[in-house]
Amino acid sequence: AQKVTQAQTEISVVEKEDVTLDCVYETRDTTYYLFWYKQPPSGELVFLIRRNSFDEQNEISGRYSWNFQKSTSSFNFTITASQVVDSAVYFCALSEGVTGGGNKLTFGTGTQLKVEL
Amino acid sequence: DTGVSQNPRHKITKRGQNVTFRCDPISEHNRLYWYRQTLGQGPEFLTYFQNEAQLEKSRLLSDRFSAERPKGSFSTLEIQRTEQGDSAMYLCASSHRGEYNEQFFGPGTRLTVL
Repeated sequence: AQKVTQAQTEISVVEKEDVTLDCVYETRDTTYYLFWYKQPPSGELVFLIRRNSFDEQNEISGRYSWNFQKSTSSFNFTITASQVVDSAVYFCALSEGVTGGGNKLTFGTGTQLKVEL
Repeated sequence: DTGVSQNPRHKITKRGQNVTFRCDPISEHNRLYWYRQTLGQGPEFLTYFQNEAQLEKSRLLSDRFSAERPKGSFSTLEIQRTEQGDSAMYLCASSHRGEYNEQFFGPGTRLTVL
C-alpha cells in the first residue's frame, strides 16, 4: 500500500528565512508520481509540481526548489527567502502508475507553514 | 479559463437528511475525482470517473454514498441518511487522462451535519 509521511505538523519562520518541508513516501511500484500542493487559508488546493519516479533531477522554480531522492524515498520542498504569502498548508502526494488505473492521489497529513514578519 | 467548480460551497444539514453536491470539471478533462478532507488531515480518495464510467471506489465510500457522472460531464455526490461523522470538506478534482496527470481541484463543499 502507498503511504506519504509529512512528519512536520507546523513550522514557523520569520520572513526571508529559508524553510524545507519534508516528505517521505512508501510504494511498491517502480513507476509512480510525486506531487506537492499548496492549500492557502481560502481552502483551494493549488498544484505546485509533479515528478515521476524516473526523473531524479532536482527542480527550481523561482523561490521554490524540490529535492527528489529515491535512495531515501524522499521528496523535500524548499522555499527560499520565505514571504508572508507563503503561509499555507503544504501537502505532498503520491500516485502509483497503474496501467489503466485512475492515478488516485494519496496525500500526507500536511505541514502548516506560518511565515511571520 | 474556468477551473473546477463545486456547488454548494457550504451545506448545513440535520442528521438523517440526504444531501447532494455537484462538481463541474474543467471542460476538456475526462477524469473526475472525489476526495474528502477532515480537519487537520490530507484529502482522502473516495472515487473516480473516466468519462461516465465510475472505475474505482474507496472503502471509505459506504453504501450511503453514491456518485454519478452522467454523460461524462458534471458529477454529483449524494450522501443519504447523513451522520455527524460525514462532516468534512468534499473536494472534486479533474485531470486529463495520460502521463501528465496532475489533478486540478475545486474549492470544495464544506458539509456540517448537526
